[in-house]
Amino acid sequence: EIVLTQSPGTLSLSPGERATLSCRASHSVGNRYLAWYHQKPGQAPRLLIYGASSRATGIPARFSGSGSGTDFTLTISRLEPEDFAVYFCQQYDDSPFTFGPGTKVDIK
Amino acid sequence: QLVESGGGLAQPGGSLRLSCAASGFSVSSNYMSWVRQAPGKGLEWVSVIYSGGSTHYADSVKGRFTISRDSSKDMLYLQMDSLRADDTAMYYCAKSLEWLLFFDCWGQGTLVTVSS
Repeated sequence: EIVLTQSPGTLSLSPGERATLSCRASHSVGNRYLAWYHQKPGQAPRLLIYGASSRATGIPARFSGSGSGTDFTLTISRLEPEDFAVYFCQQYDDSPFTFGPGTKVDIK
Repeated sequence: QLVESGGGLAQPGGSLRLSCAASGFSVSSNYMSWVRQAPGKGLEWVSVIYSGGSTHYADSVKGRFTISRDSSKDMLYLQMDSLRADDTAMYYCAKSLEWLLFFDCWGQGTLVTVSS
């Protein structure tokens, strides 16, 4: 099983600042099969990034993903008020298709 | 769009059947999954039914849960038997994109609570 670790656990930032979130895998994630989601309280997750760096439909350009192998990064270039949420990474290279524990981005 | 139903309170060892109604696409032409989230916790993939009809389960539910679909109604189901307290969670149905096991469409979830 590929175990995903996310850091930091909580990121306290102000609107307009840059956010950098990390996702590290216990084993290499082949084909860059890594996705990112965010989830707001009381809502379902929403897909942001797949294939490590491809933005999902309707996702603004301020969201970008990078990385390969065991180290992946989600960057939000300038935080908007609606971006404060919990962010999860997920690998879909190997079953079970595991998620990271999440990074909470909250308002400083 | 995906809309789940069927959650509620069940006793340990009991059963529940979750349903998920799809609109705007066919459940039989896509990979469809159930993903759960225990209260205040992270996400756990539970099961998938592939477009060809084969199924796959997480070890934590294998032998207790059964995923199925009704193509004529565009419905997805999760039969949950031998329920345990650690099955308590919000259960989401989710559609995969591009025949890969990441999820571009999620329902709003249905809450399952297992308690005596």
